Amino acid sequence: AQSVSQHNHHVILSEAASLELGCNYSYGGTVNLFWYVQYPGQHLQLLLKYFSGDPLVKGIKGFEAEFIKSKFSFNLRKPSVQWSDTAEYFCAVNGAGGYQKVTFGIGTKLQVIP
Amino acid sequence: DAGVIQSPRHEVTEMGQEVTLRCKPISGHDYLFWYRQTMMRGLELLIYFNNNVPIDDSGMPEDRFSAKMPNASFSTLKIQPSEPRDSAVYFCASSRNTGGMNTEAFFGQGTRLTVV
Repeated sequence: AQSVSQHNHHVILSEAASLELGCNYSYGGTVNLFWYVQYPGQHLQLLLKYFSGDPLVKGIKGFEAEFIKSKFSFNLRKPSVQWSDTAEYFCAVNGAGGYQKVTFGIGTKLQVIP
Repeated sequence: DAGVIQSPRHEVTEMGQEVTLRCKPISGHDYLFWYRQTMMRGLELLIYFNNNVPIDDSGMPEDRFSAKMPNASFSTLKIQPSEPRDSAVYFCASSRNTGGMNTEAFFGQGTRLTVV
């Protein structure tokens, strides 16, 4: 069975600080990996995704994530956060082969203080 | 495309009543997912469909929950009878399988259910 673990449930940063949110997944085969963002009161929106190729993927709003296969990790990073990045961030995985369900981590709430 | 459309956006009902949540996936998407989001448990996958067929309903919490997808453009999630602990935001999402791998899931705006 596939699963996703997010290490930090609540992160508080000052504006301009650097961000790294941890994500580890469990799945034995080829995977697609995603980071979604949920702004307060809104639905989940895709930040970035990894399917194959360059393990460093860049998404919207200056976010990037690095897929490290040996560590089963897909950490999200941003060099300098803004107040508008305050939101909840979800890591997700779906495995190739057969029917494919998308499994989400429990989420990390990021609060950016002006 | 208008995206994934869910209705209603908000639902307040009394304990014991039947609740039906509706979802219209993005046209051409062959996967449909129902998720429940709560503070305590995060985002839980309840059930998902492929080509209108339920594939995995192991996340459905109890027999009170049922889901159907009568055609490619419509799905329902029904709770009968509803209980206060069912209060949550229910999201529907859809995706498309390309070359053996799913694209990202696109989410609806969600239905906020409150059972009093």
